[in-house]
Amino acid sequence: AQKITQTQPGMFVQEKEAVTLDCTYDTSDPSYGLFWYKQPSSGEMIFLIYQGSYDQQNATEGRYSLNFQKARKSANLVISASQLGDSAMYFCAMRDKTDSSYKLIFGSGTRLLVRP
Amino acid sequence: DTAVSQTPKYLVTQMGNDKSIKCEQNLGHDTMYWYKQDSKKFLKIMFSYNNKELIINETVPNRFSPKSPDKAHLNLHINSLELGDSAVYFCASSPVSGGRETQYFGPGTRLLVL
Repeated sequence: AQKITQTQPGMFVQEKEAVTLDCTYDTSDPSYGLFWYKQPSSGEMIFLIYQGSYDQQNATEGRYSLNFQKARKSANLVISASQLGDSAMYFCAMRDKTDSSYKLIFGSGTRLLVRP
Repeated sequence: DTAVSQTPKYLVTQMGNDKSIKCEQNLGHDTMYWYKQDSKKFLKIMFSYNNKELIINETVPNRFSPKSPDKAHLNLHINSLELGDSAVYFCASSPVSGGRETQYFGPGTRLLVL
């Protein structure tokens, strides 16, 4: 069965520094997708970045980048130049295909706190 | 221009009541989902609909009944509410299944059962 593991329940980072949030996954499917979502204290789920298993390059979206190491089955999120507004829960998720629909399997999340 | 909207945002009710949560998306997506986020922030799929057809039903009690009148709407009706149903319920949508489709989430409905 597919599984997503986030081993850091909480992280601190100083404003303007970079931070890496860990995510490892387990799947036997050669084709898969990995997502990161941000959930601020207001509660909404905000899509940040996507990495496909066949993508040649690591995904980047502005200050977010994904350190994708396929052999190690890890897909860590790197946030550069942290801002106070980055304080939130961050969820790693994997796309799991079931019949004709895709569901997301989520990790347990990492709470990031950016210190001024 | 809300992409995925849910009503109500907050729902406080007594045990045993029946309640509904509505979801609408204006993204033209074919697939819609319901997820439940428990008090420990863990998110889990409940249902998925593709073009009004139920695709995924993740061993959810049959007190929960989704309904999709058209592909832009997916409602969730809950009968005989229990204390353990207290959670945040998220609706999401994505384009045609297959490939790198991103799921876009609604703002969530915070349900508290007393």
